[in-house]
Amino acid sequence: QKEVEQDPGPLSVPEGAIVSLNCTYSNSAFQYFMWYRQYSRKGPELLMYTYSSGNKEDGRFTAQVDKSSKYISLFIRDSQPSDSATYLCAIAGGTSYGKLTFGQGTILTVHP
Amino acid sequence: EAGVTQFPSHSVIEKGQTVTLRCDPISGHDNLYWYRRVMGKEIKFLLHFVKESKQDESGMPNNRFLAERTGGTYSTLKVQPAELEDSGVYFCASSQDWGGGLTEAFFGQGTRLTVV
Repeated sequence: QKEVEQDPGPLSVPEGAIVSLNCTYSNSAFQYFMWYRQYSRKGPELLMYTYSSGNKEDGRFTAQVDKSSKYISLFIRDSQPSDSATYLCAIAGGTSYGKLTFGQGTILTVHP
Repeated sequence: EAGVTQFPSHSVIEKGQTVTLRCDPISGHDNLYWYRRVMGKEIKFLLHFVKESKQDESGMPNNRFLAERTGGTYSTLKVQPAELEDSGVYFCASSQDWGGGLTEAFFGQGTRLTVV
């Protein structure tokens, strides 16, 4: 069983739609939960991170963590074509804070 | 401020040859990480340097892979001899010392390695 499961998609939505991206994880020791965005031929860049359970909002993006069900989500409101990218969830903590464990990534396309 | 720089951006080598990848982290970042993404799989951790010391090398696949970080600055990842399954994108990331909490890891653009 993978430590982090993420549906690779692809996911295609019209401009303005609300996008929901999700991951599940298996190790309850993890404490940091991150979402990275990766454009084609680029490295991942950190979009948001949360520590422990709860919600965090940044503009059109909202990250949610439910540690009881080991479920993390990223919501994108009013999606734009520029949001088209691969979105990767990543978790860290436990015995090694620096080591990130990634999901497979979801390919998102927002069409005009 | 310059970001994390990796080169080459793309390398094509024959099976059995040696390849060396280089990463220049953001200046002042003590933490340096190597990750790899094999086609169709998730990005996987290879190892973590704190300055010049290997903090965690649990993700290194086998002894054909050798990572070094000279003087705590740039790092190299050598694959010798390369095998077909080593093909993938190798990412380097760096972050500041966390002092007890997680700090953001900045990624380079990756080196795409193709072994034929």
